[in-house]
Amino acid sequence: QAVLTQPSSLSASPGASASLTCTLRSGINVGIYRIYWYQQKPGSPPQYLLRYKSDSDKQQGSGVPSRFSGSKDASANAGILLISGLQSEDEADYYCMIWHSSASVFGGGTKLTVL
Amino acid sequence: EVQLVESGGGLVKPGGSLRLSCAASGFTFINAWMNWVRQAPGKGLEWVGRIRSKANGGTADYAAPVEGRSIISRDDSKNMLYLQLNSLKTEDTAVYYCATDDSHDHWGQGTLVTVSS
Repeated sequence: QAVLTQPSSLSASPGASASLTCTLRSGINVGIYRIYWYQQKPGSPPQYLLRYKSDSDKQQGSGVPSRFSGSKDASANAGILLISGLQSEDEADYYCMIWHSSASVFGGGTKLTVL
Repeated sequence: EVQLVESGGGLVKPGGSLRLSCAASGFTFINAWMNWVRQAPGKGLEWVGRIRSKANGGTADYAAPVEGRSIISRDDSKNMLYLQLNSLKTEDTAVYYCATDDSHDHWGQGTLVTVSS
């Protein structure tokens, strides 16, 4: 079982909100991890969006709009990237990442379609 | 402005070697922990490894698929990061990015490595 699992795709309408999940493998407690989120558009390198561990330990990437935010769902053992007020330019692949056992581990990515 | 520019990619035969470079500017490179991340065509991101700053020992950690075949090094006098890839396999075919710090908050444009006979 992968360390981080993301749904492969998600669709949402312009102006709506999208909640992208990043589920940690059973036995790995989401509560102790900083979860990092990246956006990648075709032909471009990933762009750092934010990191979230708790409301007192979070960081927004430089220039990243506040409509991108992070949270956690402890009951689901998952990190969440919430994108509010969806715009067509938000259509992209989104990856989560944690540092686990001294290694950076990425989720498989979610392709967000805005239509 | 932070800039990272990778170079050194190309076509190499299975079993061959390649040295990738990453030229850094716009930040205090000597203090930075640096990473290599790769992305196979049409696939997701995969961390390759990282090197600590000299002040933190300058040692490197590697992902399992490349451990023993790769060496990450740095030249702080030139603000350069390197990745030596040896015993290359077809599954090493990917775009290789350098990225800063634990947050990977800055990325280069990447350099393509193609391993094929």
